[in-house]
Amino acid sequence: QSALTQPASVSGSPGQSITISCTGTSSDVGSYNLVSWYQQHPGKAPKLMIYEVNKRPSGVSNRFSGSKSGNTASLTISGLQAEDEADYYCCSYAGSSTYVFGTGTKVTVL
Amino acid sequence: QVQLQESGPGLVKPSETLSLTCTVSGGSIIGHYWSWIRQPPGKGLEWIGYIYYTGSTTYNPSLKSRVTMSVDTSKNQFSLKLTSVTPADSAVYSCARGYDYFDYWGQGTLVTVSS
Repeated sequence: QSALTQPASVSGSPGQSITISCTGTSSDVGSYNLVSWYQQHPGKAPKLMIYEVNKRPSGVSNRFSGSKSGNTASLTISGLQAEDEADYYCCSYAGSSTYVFGTGTKVTVL
Repeated sequence: QVQLQESGPGLVKPSETLSLTCTVSGGSIIGHYWSWIRQPPGKGLEWIGYIYYTGSTTYNPSLKSRVTMSVDTSKNQFSLKLTSVTPADSAVYSCARGYDYFDYWGQGTLVTVSS
């Protein structure tokens, strides 16, 4: 059960759109629509941003959207804002009632 | 608003047992799944396992031999025990609600394994 692969860092200017990838295998991301995304500001608890690939919890901005193609899930942040600067983690069901997180991506707003 | 709060020793000696409790407020522990997740300093998140309010558990295969989770519905609490700890187990340990996704999280508590 290896960690899902995410780019270490992604950056963008205010107002731009960025996409964070989360690559797994046919045993996790590719087999289940159970991918979630979390935003974590320094020293803070993670916050659920997307669940079940593309569903947004109540209160999360519609600037955040999720998708999946094959073994890769993606989180897109549109209209990038300074407050979006944080670490982002994906998570996927990996079968046999187990879960695996991604390696994490640091988003920088230039 | 559901709130979770971890509690337990911040320092554990190598080979000993790490014990943490998560207290849930603002909602009932009944009817939900509850998870433990850890994050070593400067590293990513690792799912440890989850427990249903009935006491049914599922653990990360890589930790399964050392992990035990339990629940106390009368106190609205659930707990984690990790045996035979080493410095590699040093991390911020967080409790969260859910299993397919985690919608409420505690602030996390730093546990350092050191003699």
